[in-house]
Amino acid sequence: AQSVTQPDIHITVSEGASLELRCNYSYGATPYLFWYVQSPGQGLQLLLKYFSGDTLVQGIKGFEAEFKRSQSSFNLRKPSVHWSDAAEYFCAVGAESGGGADGLTFGKGTHLIIQP
Amino acid sequence: DAMVIQNPRYQVTQFGKPVTLSCSQTLNHNVMYWYQQKSSQAPKLLFHYYDKDFNNEADTPDNFQSRRPNTSFCFLDIRSPGLGDAAMYLCATSRAQLRETQYFGPGTRLLVL
Repeated sequence: AQSVTQPDIHITVSEGASLELRCNYSYGATPYLFWYVQSPGQGLQLLLKYFSGDTLVQGIKGFEAEFKRSQSSFNLRKPSVHWSDAAEYFCAVGAESGGGADGLTFGKGTHLIIQP
Repeated sequence: DAMVIQNPRYQVTQFGKPVTLSCSQTLNHNVMYWYQQKSSQAPKLLFHYYDKDFNNEADTPDNFQSRRPNTSFCFLDIRSPGLGDAAMYLCATSRAQLRETQYFGPGTRLLVL
């Protein structure tokens, strides 16, 4: 079974500083990976996804993520954070089954705090 | 805009009193999912519908049921809510193809008194 580890429960970053959120996955085949963001009391919004091809993927709101198969990682980055980026960030992996309809396995999330 | 809608956004129920949460979508997706997200935890898949086919996760309690009367609507029924069922319930949809993105609704926060 697949699993996702987000080793950082909380991260505090100053506004304007760069950001990297870590995600490691465990999956037997080629994974497909997602980053979602959740603001307080809200649902999940897709930031970006990796299915195949270029290992550096661009997303919305200036985020990018890099897939590194050798490290089983899919870390999320942003060069300069804004106060509005404060939220919960979830990394997720999807199953590669024949049915084409399987739930995602989420990491426990990283709570991002932005300092002024 | 095509979207996933959940009603109500907040639901308060009493211990043991059945409750139904609603999800609708305008994306015309084949698959609809229900996730449970407890405070400060990751969303956890309860079950999903692939068209009319219901797929239950092995560890989803029997207390949780679902109905999908048509493509657009899906309901989550909690037959006898316990205090431990207080959570955010997230509905998501996707097309029925490999590696498809899941689109989430805003969630319904359930409080059990």
